[in-house]
Amino acid sequence: AQKITQTQPGMFVQEKEAVTLDCTYDTSDPSYGLFWYKQPSSGEMIFLIYQGSYDQQNATEGRYSLNFQKARKSANLVISASQLGDSAMYFCAMRDVNTNAGKSTFGDGTTLTVKP
Amino acid sequence: DGGITQSPKYLFRKEGQNVTLSCEQNLNHDAMYWYRQDPGQGLRLIYYSQIVNDFQKGDIAEGYSVSREKKESFPLTVTSAQKNPTAFYLCASTGLHSNQPQHFGDGTRLSIL
Repeated sequence: AQKITQTQPGMFVQEKEAVTLDCTYDTSDPSYGLFWYKQPSSGEMIFLIYQGSYDQQNATEGRYSLNFQKARKSANLVISASQLGDSAMYFCAMRDVNTNAGKSTFGDGTTLTVKP
Repeated sequence: DGGITQSPKYLFRKEGQNVTLSCEQNLNHDAMYWYRQDPGQGLRLIYYSQIVNDFQKGDIAEGYSVSREKKESFPLTVTSAQKNPTAFYLCASTGLHSNQPQHFGDGTRLSIL
């Protein structure tokens, strides 16, 4: 069974600083995909970044980057130059390529608050 | 633009009543999902469907039912058997490739009257 662990229920960061949100995962499958989503207070879920288990380089998307350490089974999200609009709940998720229907396992989330 | 439409945005249920939440997608995705989210919590999978006329129970299916008569549509019924239905419900879909994220609707907030 797959499991995602996000150990930080809440995080604070000063505007314009960088912040790292932790995510560790557990799976016995060699092939999987890791995703990060953002959920603002309005409720919609926004896809941020993807990392494949066989990708050699860490994924980056604008101010978002993923610190992928496969041996440690961690996929931490790094947000650079935080903005007030980054205040939201962030979810790490894993999709097993062998699982039917593309089912994903989500972590419990981390609430990020950006201080002005 | 392609996307997922959930309706209504807010829904109120009376005691003993069944209510149905709508989810429609025009992304041509095969797989669709329903999640429940309680305040400050993560997503819990209720039901999912890979193809038309087929669906599987998720982790918390009791008190819920679904149908998948069309590829584009995956409605969720919250039955009277669900004693604590107050929550935020999210519908999602995704394609077949493992690098494809889930696309989500804007959600439905269900409350008890």
